[in-house]
Amino acid sequence: DVKVTQSSRYLVKRTGEKVFLECVQDMDHENMFWYRQDPGLGLRLIYFSYDVKMKEKGDIPEGYSVSREKKERFSLILESASTNQTSMYLCASRTTGVEKLFFGSGTQLSVL
Amino acid sequence: DAKTTQPPSMDCAEGRAANLPCNHSTISGNEYVYWYRQIHSQGPQYIIHGLKNNETNEMASLIITEDRKSSTLILPHATLRDTAVYYCIVRVGGNAGNMLTFGGGTRLMVKP
Repeated sequence: DVKVTQSSRYLVKRTGEKVFLECVQDMDHENMFWYRQDPGLGLRLIYFSYDVKMKEKGDIPEGYSVSREKKERFSLILESASTNQTSMYLCASRTTGVEKLFFGSGTQLSVL
Repeated sequence: DAKTTQPPSMDCAEGRAANLPCNHSTISGNEYVYWYRQIHSQGPQYIIHGLKNNETNEMASLIITEDRKSSTLILPHATLRDTAVYYCIVRVGGNAGNMLTFGGGTRLMVKP
């Protein structure tokens, strides 16, 4: 069965901390995505990557960066966490040519 | 991408068919209709997609009107586990861009 694994289900961090969210997929997908989901706002795309070392900004990239050193791993980095980054973070992947996204279970991040 | 309109919520009795409508009156000829669902506290899950013809898989059926301005997702025998938010998304398929935009969706409540 296909799998997208996010490293943590729940995470609590302090304001100003550097935060790493890790995502690994086992399907050899070229494309990987980071979304955040907030009540009333739906899913919003932060960053995506269509190949190793390639990245593109989504709708809300401010305050975030990403890293894709290996095809199977896509990391989201909060350089200096702020309270308005408290959210559910969802990683997804897909192969090129079909818009069928596979999502991880999500990381609920709380920044205090 | 074409905008979609879905009712915010629907109820369905367990064992009965759930019919979830979606309007996409500005859909273009090369845009596909995708359906995803999100069960509480999980990442979204792909259900089905189609272009013109009706489609069926092990999860659901997708009926697209002849003018393609609306579609209906059918869960033939809804169970309590089908309680979720269902998202209808219209998007150009293939390699044209990398982003699926999730709107508000329909919250389906399956009741015993």
